[in-house]
Amino acid sequence: GAVVSQHPSRVICKSGTSVKIECRSLDFQATTMFWYRQFPKQSLMLMATSNEGSKATYEQGVEKDKFLINHASLTLSTLTVTSAHPEDSSFYICSASSPGQRSPNEQYFGPGTRLTVT
Amino acid sequence: AQKVTQAQTEISVVEKEDVTLDCVYETRDTTYYLFWYKQPPSGELVFLIRRNSFDEQNEISGRYSWNFQKSTSSFNFTITASQVVDSAVYFCALSEVNNDMRFGAGTRLTVKP
Repeated sequence: GAVVSQHPSRVICKSGTSVKIECRSLDFQATTMFWYRQFPKQSLMLMATSNEGSKATYEQGVEKDKFLINHASLTLSTLTVTSAHPEDSSFYICSASSPGQRSPNEQYFGPGTRLTVT
Repeated sequence: AQKVTQAQTEISVVEKEDVTLDCVYETRDTTYYLFWYKQPPSGELVFLIRRNSFDEQNEISGRYSWNFQKSTSSFNFTITASQVVDSAVYFCALSEVNNDMRFGAGTRLTVKP
Protein backbone atom coordinates (compact mmCIF):
# COMPACT_ATOMS: atom_id res chain seq x y z
CA GLY A 1 0.00 0.00 0.00
CA ALA A 2 0.83 3.74 0.11
CA VAL A 3 1.73 4.16 -3.53
CA VAL A 4 2.29 7.59 -5.04
CA SER A 5 2.53 8.16 -8.76
CA GLN A 6 3.74 11.10 -10.78
CA HIS A 7 3.01 12.03 -14.35
CA PRO A 8 4.83 12.60 -16.56
CA SER A 9 8.07 10.89 -15.60
CA ARG A 10 10.00 13.04 -18.05
CA VAL A 11 9.09 16.22 -19.85
CA ILE A 12 10.94 18.54 -22.18
CA CYS A 13 9.49 21.95 -22.82
CA LYS A 14 10.56 25.14 -24.48
CA SER A 15 11.56 28.21 -22.56
CA GLY A 16 8.57 30.42 -21.80
CA THR A 17 5.99 27.67 -21.81
CA SER A 18 4.22 26.16 -18.80
CA VAL A 19 4.26 22.56 -17.73
CA LYS A 20 2.03 20.70 -15.30
CA ILE A 21 3.15 17.77 -13.15
CA GLU A 22 0.61 15.54 -11.44
CA CYS A 23 1.05 13.69 -8.18
CA ARG A 24 -1.48 11.05 -7.19
CA SER A 25 -1.91 8.90 -4.12
CA LEU A 26 -3.22 5.65 -5.56
CA ASP A 27 -4.41 3.70 -2.54
CA PHE A 28 -4.86 6.21 0.25
CA GLN A 29 -6.20 9.68 0.85
CA ALA A 30 -3.46 12.24 1.19
CA THR A 31 -4.42 15.20 3.33
CA THR A 32 -0.98 16.69 2.87
CA MET A 33 1.28 16.64 -0.15
CA PHE A 34 4.79 17.97 -0.47
CA TRP A 35 6.79 19.10 -3.47
CA TYR A 36 10.55 18.85 -3.59
CA ARG A 37 13.12 19.92 -6.16
CA GLN A 38 16.43 18.20 -6.66
CA PHE A 39 19.17 19.66 -8.84
CA PRO A 40 21.86 17.31 -10.18
CA LYS A 41 24.09 15.90 -7.47
CA GLN A 42 22.28 17.86 -4.79
CA SER A 43 19.83 17.05 -2.08
CA LEU A 44 16.07 17.31 -2.08
CA MET A 45 14.84 20.75 -1.17
CA LEU A 46 11.28 21.25 0.02
CA MET A 47 9.46 23.72 -2.20
CA ALA A 48 5.99 23.75 -0.71
CA THR A 49 3.47 21.94 1.41
CA SER A 50 -0.13 21.68 0.40
CA ASN A 51 -3.16 20.58 2.36
CA GLU A 52 -6.26 19.48 0.53
CA GLY A 53 -8.59 22.38 -0.08
CA SER A 54 -6.19 25.07 1.15
CA LYS A 55 -3.53 27.24 -0.35
CA ALA A 56 -0.04 25.84 -0.43
CA THR A 57 2.64 27.02 1.97
CA TYR A 58 5.82 27.87 0.11
CA GLU A 59 9.34 27.70 1.45
CA GLN A 60 11.39 30.86 1.56
CA GLY A 61 12.83 31.69 -1.82
CA VAL A 62 10.28 29.71 -3.82
CA GLU A 63 8.19 31.92 -6.09
CA LYS A 64 4.54 31.09 -5.57
CA ASP A 65 3.52 32.78 -8.81
CA LYS A 66 5.96 30.68 -10.77
CA PHE A 67 5.29 27.34 -9.12
CA LEU A 68 1.53 26.99 -8.88
CA ILE A 69 0.35 24.20 -6.63
CA ASN A 70 -3.18 22.89 -6.52
CA HIS A 71 -4.39 20.21 -4.13
CA ALA A 72 -8.03 20.02 -5.10
CA SER A 73 -8.71 16.47 -3.96
CA LEU A 74 -7.42 13.99 -1.43
CA THR A 75 -5.66 12.01 -4.13
CA LEU A 76 -4.30 14.62 -6.50
CA SER A 77 -1.92 17.54 -6.32
CA THR A 78 -0.51 19.37 -9.30
CA LEU A 79 2.55 21.54 -9.71
CA THR A 80 2.57 23.92 -12.65
CA VAL A 81 5.84 25.54 -13.61
CA THR A 82 4.83 28.73 -15.39
CA SER A 83 6.98 30.48 -17.95
CA ALA A 84 9.67 27.87 -17.53
CA HIS A 85 13.31 28.78 -18.01
CA PRO A 86 16.38 26.55 -18.38
CA GLU A 87 17.28 27.15 -14.72
CA ASP A 88 14.00 25.43 -13.77
CA SER A 89 15.33 22.21 -15.23
CA SER A 90 15.41 19.82 -12.32
CA PHE A 91 14.03 16.61 -10.81
CA TYR A 92 10.71 17.30 -9.12
CA ILE A 93 9.53 14.83 -6.49
CA CYS A 94 6.24 14.81 -4.67
CA SER A 95 5.30 13.01 -1.50
CA ALA A 96 2.07 12.42 0.34
CA SER A 97 1.07 11.80 3.90
CA SER A 98 -2.13 11.03 5.72
CA PRO A 99 -3.19 11.05 9.37
CA GLY A 100 -4.62 7.60 8.91
CA GLN A 101 -1.31 6.04 8.00
CA ARG A 102 0.39 3.62 10.32
CA SER A 103 3.51 5.69 10.84
CA PRO A 104 3.24 9.34 11.90
CA ASN A 105 5.33 11.76 9.88
CA GLU A 106 5.78 9.14 7.19
CA GLN A 107 5.86 10.55 3.70
CA TYR A 108 5.35 8.36 0.67
CA PHE A 109 7.38 9.53 -2.28
CA GLY A 110 6.52 9.52 -5.94
CA PRO A 111 9.04 8.36 -8.54
CA GLY A 112 9.87 11.91 -9.63
CA THR A 113 9.53 13.97 -12.80
CA ARG A 114 12.56 15.08 -14.73
CA LEU A 115 11.95 18.47 -16.30
CA THR A 116 14.21 19.80 -19.01
CA VAL A 117 13.65 23.30 -20.32
CA THR A 118 15.32 24.07 -23.63
CA ALA B 1 15.37 25.18 12.50
CA GLN B 2 16.04 21.53 11.94
CA LYS B 3 19.24 20.57 10.19
CA VAL B 4 20.80 17.35 8.95
CA THR B 5 24.50 16.96 8.21
CA GLN B 6 26.00 14.19 6.16
CA ALA B 7 29.67 15.07 6.15
CA GLN B 8 30.71 12.28 3.80
CA THR B 9 30.08 13.43 0.26
CA GLU B 10 31.38 10.32 -1.47
CA ILE B 11 32.56 6.94 -0.25
CA SER B 12 34.11 4.23 -2.35
CA VAL B 13 34.58 0.69 -1.09
CA VAL B 14 35.34 -2.70 -2.54
CA GLU B 15 32.66 -5.35 -2.47
CA LYS B 16 32.32 -7.21 0.83
CA GLU B 17 33.72 -4.35 2.85
CA ASP B 18 31.63 -2.87 5.64
CA VAL B 19 30.77 0.81 5.33
CA THR B 20 29.21 3.32 7.72
CA LEU B 21 27.38 6.41 6.58
CA ASP B 22 27.27 9.19 9.13
CA CYS B 23 24.33 11.44 9.93
CA VAL B 24 24.22 14.20 12.52
CA TYR B 25 21.08 16.20 13.15
CA GLU B 26 19.95 19.31 14.98
CA THR B 27 16.50 19.98 16.34
CA ARG B 28 14.86 21.80 19.21
CA ASP B 29 11.89 19.45 19.31
CA THR B 30 11.75 16.57 21.74
CA THR B 31 9.56 14.60 19.36
CA TYR B 32 11.03 14.00 15.94
CA TYR B 33 11.58 11.30 13.38
CA LEU B 34 14.70 10.25 11.54
CA PHE B 35 14.80 8.49 8.20
CA TRP B 36 17.23 6.95 5.77
CA TYR B 37 16.49 6.75 2.07
CA LYS B 38 18.37 5.20 -0.82
CA GLN B 39 18.31 6.90 -4.20
CA PRO B 40 19.57 4.70 -7.03
CA PRO B 41 20.40 6.17 -10.46
CA SER B 42 16.74 5.92 -11.48
CA GLY B 43 16.03 8.71 -9.00
CA GLU B 44 13.20 7.10 -7.08
CA LEU B 45 13.63 7.29 -3.34
CA VAL B 46 13.63 3.97 -1.54
CA PHE B 47 12.58 4.09 2.11
CA LEU B 48 14.97 2.21 4.39
CA ILE B 49 14.10 3.07 7.97
CA ARG B 50 12.14 5.41 10.21
CA ARG B 51 13.01 5.97 13.85
CA ASN B 52 11.24 8.18 16.40
CA SER B 53 13.11 10.18 19.00
CA PHE B 54 11.89 8.04 21.88
CA ASP B 55 13.20 4.81 20.50
CA GLU B 56 16.96 4.56 20.76
CA GLN B 57 17.14 0.88 20.10
CA ASN B 58 19.52 0.00 17.35
CA GLU B 59 18.03 -1.89 14.45
CA ILE B 60 19.32 -4.54 12.13
CA SER B 61 17.70 -5.57 8.89
CA GLY B 62 19.71 -8.09 6.96
CA ARG B 63 22.99 -6.43 6.00
CA TYR B 64 21.76 -3.03 7.15
CA SER B 65 22.02 -1.70 10.67
CA TRP B 66 21.36 1.65 12.27
CA ASN B 67 22.87 3.22 15.37
CA PHE B 68 20.79 6.00 16.94
CA GLN B 69 22.48 7.99 19.70
CA LYS B 70 20.59 10.96 21.07
CA SER B 71 23.56 11.97 23.21
CA THR B 72 25.54 12.78 20.08
CA SER B 73 22.54 13.56 17.85
CA SER B 74 23.65 10.92 15.40
CA PHE B 75 21.84 8.31 13.37
CA ASN B 76 24.48 6.32 11.52
CA PHE B 77 23.85 3.63 8.94
CA THR B 78 26.10 0.63 8.39
CA ILE B 79 26.07 -1.73 5.45
CA THR B 80 27.79 -5.01 6.18
CA ALA B 81 29.45 -6.99 3.39
CA SER B 82 28.61 -4.36 0.80
CA GLN B 83 27.51 -5.35 -2.68
CA VAL B 84 27.65 -3.59 -6.03
CA VAL B 85 23.86 -3.17 -5.89
CA ASP B 86 24.29 -1.00 -2.80
CA SER B 87 25.82 1.71 -4.98
CA ALA B 88 23.53 4.72 -4.70
CA VAL B 89 23.11 8.04 -2.97
CA TYR B 90 21.91 7.70 0.59
CA PHE B 91 20.00 10.46 2.33
CA CYS B 92 19.38 10.94 6.01
CA ALA B 93 16.31 13.04 6.83
CA LEU B 94 14.66 14.60 9.86
CA SER B 95 11.00 15.35 10.38
CA GLU B 96 9.60 17.34 13.27
CA VAL B 97 6.02 17.53 14.51
CA ASN B 98 5.05 19.91 11.70
CA ASN B 99 5.82 17.04 9.33
CA ASP B 100 8.29 19.03 7.23
CA MET B 101 11.10 16.75 6.17
CA ARG B 102 14.63 18.09 5.81
CA PHE B 103 17.23 16.08 4.00
CA GLY B 104 20.95 15.93 4.44
CA ALA B 105 23.19 16.58 1.47
CA GLY B 106 23.48 12.87 0.78
CA THR B 107 26.39 10.44 0.58
CA ARG B 108 27.22 8.84 -2.74
CA LEU B 109 28.32 5.28 -2.14
CA THR B 110 30.19 3.39 -4.83
CA VAL B 111 30.82 -0.29 -4.30
CA LYS B 112 33.39 -1.69 -6.68
CA PRO B 113 33.48 -5.36 -7.63
